[in-house]
Amino acid sequence: DAGITQSPRHKVTETGTPVTLRCHQTENHRYMYWYRQDPGHGLRLIHYSYGVKDTDKGEVSDGYSVSRSKTEDFLLTLESATSSQTSVYFCAIRPNQGTGPKQMNTEAFFGQGTRLTVV
Amino acid sequence: KQEVTQIPAALSVPEGENLVLNCSFTDSAIYNLQWFRQDPGKGLTSLLLIQSSQREQTSGRLNASLDKSSGRSTLYIAASQPGDSATYLCAVANYGNNRLAFGKGNQVVVIP
Repeated sequence: DAGITQSPRHKVTETGTPVTLRCHQTENHRYMYWYRQDPGHGLRLIHYSYGVKDTDKGEVSDGYSVSRSKTEDFLLTLESATSSQTSVYFCAIRPNQGTGPKQMNTEAFFGQGTRLTVV
Repeated sequence: KQEVTQIPAALSVPEGENLVLNCSFTDSAIYNLQWFRQDPGKGLTSLLLIQSSQREQTSGRLNASLDKSSGRSTLYIAASQPGDSATYLCAVANYGNNRLAFGKGNQVVVIP
């Protein structure tokens, strides 16, 4: 599992409440990602990070924010949860390897997922 | 924008048959392609990583090929077993950014 822990694993929350999901890694990897997985849509990138305080948006970033104040933690916040954000959320990491294009020459590893239900 | 397609979306095969799963992508400017397995309610498990300069990778009964110029990869699973029942996902790492683009998966059922 490349030392990835997602918490919580399951959560039910009410519409309009803020929710924060945590991804924790133990191996100092530079790249971290948040995806959501929905039937019929597959896995879609929400946000990703390429270092402490360095983040960028993915294809479905509206309604989500992220923070990475230290290497090991990447937090995903739903600022005001909506029913459309009911989903399974996955964190992923990509181990470091060199610089430039070689950075992408490593396997990506995923956490076990967080099942979020917004009622 | 990279589009990744996996065909067929679902298939069933009798135990012992070879499995052939296809993945196609629209932009051939990739770093690598990765195949994952996902069991129901679980996370993604990495199976094989093929660099853009490689033509294939093998691990046990699994063999993945890559034809970057035509935007295709195929995952072969030899002598399928009921334990191979899962969803198989293909993902490409796009050149020029740090993202993985996923297909929607091949859902496989191996019938004993």
